[in-house]
Amino acid sequence: DTGVSQDPRHKITKRGQNVTFRCDPISEHNRLYWYRQTLGQGPEFLTYFQNEAQLEKSRLLSDRFSAERPKGSFSTLEIQRTEQGDSAMYLCASSLTGKLSTDTQYFGPGTRLTVL
Amino acid sequence: AQSVTQLGSHVSVSEGALVLLRCNYSSSVPPYLFWYVQYPNQGLQLLLKYTSAATLVKGINGFEAEFKKSETSFHLTKPSAHMSDAAEYFCAVFGGGYNKLIFGAGTRLAVHP
Repeated sequence: DTGVSQDPRHKITKRGQNVTFRCDPISEHNRLYWYRQTLGQGPEFLTYFQNEAQLEKSRLLSDRFSAERPKGSFSTLEIQRTEQGDSAMYLCASSLTGKLSTDTQYFGPGTRLTVL
Repeated sequence: AQSVTQLGSHVSVSEGALVLLRCNYSSSVPPYLFWYVQYPNQGLQLLLKYTSAATLVKGINGFEAEFKKSETSFHLTKPSAHMSDAAEYFCAVFGGGYNKLIFGAGTRLAVHP
């Protein structure tokens, strides 16, 4: 069990540029979540997948944000035309949901985005 | 709607003193409850979870939490603080029709010699 990994760990970009983040979940986990955390706040839910299906999106996820999980394994989160307000830590988590599970989510180290 | 309130954004204790971090939740159905810890510039690490088994839950690093339904609380305690416990702690709720974690605003714990 190698845990949840995220790449890159840090990203600095200029306003208006597009960025893409990757998350690799724990291998047998069928659910994958994205959260956003701004300074001094708790993480806020953005979206989640069960296998390859995106089942819920927060209204925080504007049309500039898109997430995919094409084969039910890794996921990408893309932000188009970045704005300074997008600066945050983007956290990925995975869980195993099912009859005997407790939907415990395990988090990756996060990607810190800074938009200049 | 579900929500989590963590009383005290900052808590400071002496090394060796009791740690008490407060968490209250609102949920229309019995939820799953979690405590996570976050060290600077890192992701969240699971400390412990309540999943409707025992009401007193033991976690890693000597932490424990007690689920009290009548008080809708899930406070985190540790008998004796260590310098390495200095971090930010988040309480979260899952379930009750919501397929996501809903977090409190967090409590920053400082431990001084």
